[in-house]
Amino acid sequence: NAGVTQTPKFQVLKTGQSMTLQCAQDMNHEYMSWYRQDPGMGLRLIHYSVGAGITDQGEVPNGYNVSRSTTEDFPLRLLSAAPSQTSVYFCASMGSPGQSLEQYFGPGTRLTVT
Amino acid sequence: AQKVTQAQTEISVVEKEDVTLDCVYETRDTTYYLFWYKQPPSGELVFLIRRNSFDEQNEISGRYSWNFQKSTSSFNFTITASQVVDSAVYFCALRGGNNRKLIWGLGTSLAVNP
Repeated sequence: NAGVTQTPKFQVLKTGQSMTLQCAQDMNHEYMSWYRQDPGMGLRLIHYSVGAGITDQGEVPNGYNVSRSTTEDFPLRLLSAAPSQTSVYFCASMGSPGQSLEQYFGPGTRLTVT
Repeated sequence: AQKVTQAQTEISVVEKEDVTLDCVYETRDTTYYLFWYKQPPSGELVFLIRRNSFDEQNEISGRYSWNFQKSTSSFNFTITASQVVDSAVYFCALRGGNNRKLIWGLGTSLAVNP
């Protein structure tokens, strides 16, 4: 099992550009989520999904879109990048209650918006 | 409301010292789960332990031990005979009942100096 994979690892964008951060998991987990991590602010939930076709907003959803067309993939789209979106982004997955109770994380994507 | 507090922002110790990282939580759920994650300088988030609210037994894994006390709403993490490789940011997190979302503390940055 590869676990949770994220691409790219590093990305530099100019203000106003759009891009998609990819996330995939091969553990057949129902739950997937995106976090951003900023210094001194811990991990903040952007969007999450409890299954294919179902997504919902976390605490900092503005400027981001997600979709979940398959169980495996949960891409995060930045519609029009802003310097405030400079951050490290983590994707995580978790199985059903009988499967696993903890979240497993991808390696992260370090995004810089200039 | 649910909340996780890690009062220690930064801790610095000398190798071989014992160190305890504090975690205090708030929840109204009768069933909940507590977690510790480690984020080494390389940046990935590594799951360390999960503790269920109905199991107050303390746990030891090598040099790591966890003390869960419902009476004080605390889930503290002790590293015995610390090593330089223990240098990392450690996060405590809470998940309540059937809620899949994790509530995160802001993390404690541990520096173990040779």
